[in-house]
Amino acid sequence: EPEVTQTPSHQVTQMGQEVILRCVPISNHLYFYWYRQILGQKVEFLVSFYNNEISEKSEIFDDQFSVERPDGSNFTLKIRSTKLEDSAMYFCASSENREGFEQYFGPGTRLTVT
Amino acid sequence: GQNIDQPTEMTATEGAIVQINCTYQTSGFNGLFWYQQHAGEAPTFLSYNVLDGLEEKGRFSSFLSRSKGYSYLLLKELQMKDSASYLCAVRESGANNLFFGTGTRLTVIP
Repeated sequence: EPEVTQTPSHQVTQMGQEVILRCVPISNHLYFYWYRQILGQKVEFLVSFYNNEISEKSEIFDDQFSVERPDGSNFTLKIRSTKLEDSAMYFCASSENREGFEQYFGPGTRLTVT
Repeated sequence: GQNIDQPTEMTATEGAIVQINCTYQTSGFNGLFWYQQHAGEAPTFLSYNVLDGLEEKGRFSSFLSRSKGYSYLLLKELQMKDSASYLCAVRESGANNLFFGTGTRLTVIP
């Protein structure tokens, strides 16, 4: 069964450093998403991406965040200057089409900012 | 904006039936989703409702009333492996992203 994959599974970084979280969505999916979940809190939407551009973003997704699809398979989330409060689990998800109700989530990257 | 409410924790007995409720308020509605999330893992899709009524999928069923802003997830013949958090999520009109509730942590006891 096809699945979304994410690397690394765990990233530790120092405050102020840049991190890039990587995702490989399911190959025939067209919509890609990033969500985050701070420990013990709810899953929060960050951004959605379609046709090589951002289609929606939340208030959390400020100027320190960016997304990119550098090639035909990878989808990345960059955090330019990490803060302590960026520590969370970051989930990538993909769906087949806009009305494709099933968003498939990857296993997540646990980001720890020290 | 969105407001999604669900109970924080529930406990039920193996073999029993449990109903997890979710109420929501959104500026526009285009579907309600239930996901299961085991501790430290990714959410996995369980069900989707966009019209009023009951959707059944094996041991899991989900109900929606749009006029009441209400949904429930029904789990039958509970198994120990059903111990997990159950996340209610809403999709708004014109958007494809999901807004999640805080989740209900279900503990199944022998």
